[in-house]
Amino acid sequence: SQQGEEDPQALSIQEGENATMNCSYKTSINNLQWYRQNSGRGLVHLILIRSNEREKHSGRLRVTLDTSKKSSSLLITASRAADTASYFCATLPTGGTYKYIFGTGTRLKVLA
Amino acid sequence: DSGVTQTPKHLITATGQRVTLRCSPRSGDLSVYWYQQSLDQGLQFLIQYYNGEERAKGNILERFSAQQFPDLHSELNLSSLELGDSALYFCASSPRTGVFANYGYTFGSGTRLTVV
Repeated sequence: SQQGEEDPQALSIQEGENATMNCSYKTSINNLQWYRQNSGRGLVHLILIRSNEREKHSGRLRVTLDTSKKSSSLLITASRAADTASYFCATLPTGGTYKYIFGTGTRLKVLA
Repeated sequence: DSGVTQTPKHLITATGQRVTLRCSPRSGDLSVYWYQQSLDQGLQFLIQYYNGEERAKGNILERFSAQQFPDLHSELNLSSLELGDSALYFCASSPRTGVFANYGYTFGSGTRLTVV
């Protein structure tokens, strides 16, 4: 089963609005990443947040992590049409595993 | 260009056939990961190699196998192909592995496999 579950599955907003996507996971993690995927293309790494961090910023992106709730959120401020893509969270569980587990993604559509 | 090279970009083959997908990691990266993405699905982890050794295995079918060569490129072999194997296959690389992966993965652009 998927470790990460993104919510919502799909989101449609107007250009200039903020977009918030959530990711919930099941087990303790070392870190969590967010990726963007344009249709049918490779994934692009956006941001990595470690388990001892609560918030990180990168440009128009803001990621929060709440390990007590096993959840993370990705906020894209002042969205642009070019932000239209699928967004995935990926978690690295604790326990010596080496693999990130990806969620099912949120499809974001930004309308011009 | 992400620095991770996957070939071929597209592959169409018949059921029962065998194909080989190739991945060259970003220069300096020792870890290679293979993922499968079916239509409208998330990424399913298949297998990981680190410096030539298998490090982790996911939901990889017995019909699938992989290896990482001394020059660090990796190949994913898919045999006895079925219609359901049609998917995007991604390779990703990272400098280190696991908890030492302070960076995200760098993904290739994928190989789109169509089994007819």
